[in-house]
Amino acid sequence: AQSVAQPEDQVNVAEGNPLTVKCTYSVSGNPYLFWYVQYPNRGLQFLLKYITGDNLVKGSYGFEAEFNKSQTSFHLKKPSALVSDSALYFCAVRASWSSASKIIFGSGTRLSIRP
Amino acid sequence: NAGVTQTPKFRVLKTGQSMTLLCAQDMNHEYMYWYRQDPGMGLRLIHYSVGEGTTAKGEVPDGYNVSRLKKQNFLLGLESAAPSQTSVYFCASSPGLAGLQETQYFGPGTRLLVL
Repeated sequence: AQSVAQPEDQVNVAEGNPLTVKCTYSVSGNPYLFWYVQYPNRGLQFLLKYITGDNLVKGSYGFEAEFNKSQTSFHLKKPSALVSDSALYFCAVRASWSSASKIIFGSGTRLSIRP
Repeated sequence: NAGVTQTPKFRVLKTGQSMTLLCAQDMNHEYMYWYRQDPGMGLRLIHYSVGEGTTAKGEVPDGYNVSRLKKQNFLLGLESAAPSQTSVYFCASSPGLAGLQETQYFGPGTRLLVL
């Protein structure tokens, strides 16, 4: 069975410091991995995805994520946090061979950036 | 382009009442999805569609029905609302289901309260 875990409900970071939001997954076969962000009272917005190729993926707003197959992780990172990065972040996974119904979202991590 | 729009934005229902949520997209996407978002549970897929005239069940389909008579519209129906269906409902669309086409575009959400 597929699953995705975001082990931290909340991450607190000072503005200007690097940030990491963790995501681990479990699928059989090759994974497709996604990060989405949700601002208050808004729908989710796509940040980045890993399909194949380079393990380091760069996305919107200066975010990047590293696919680590041995650790089955896809952590979201940013070198220097901004207050405007405060939002709810979701990791999602789907096995490359599975149908659209098998995309699984994590429970979300609330990122809070203090000035 | 408006992207993905949802109506209504907010609705209060009494137990047993019925309603239809409308999702519209103007990006000519083939795939459309309905999710519900509950605190601490991330997004769960209710139903999805891979093209006009097709629908399929997701992870939590019970109590909901859907229709996709036109490519741009995806309707979610609640025949007899229950308090357990109190949630925030998100519609999304994507060009396809092949890696690079799989980015989902989300609507702003519909907040439903069932009393």
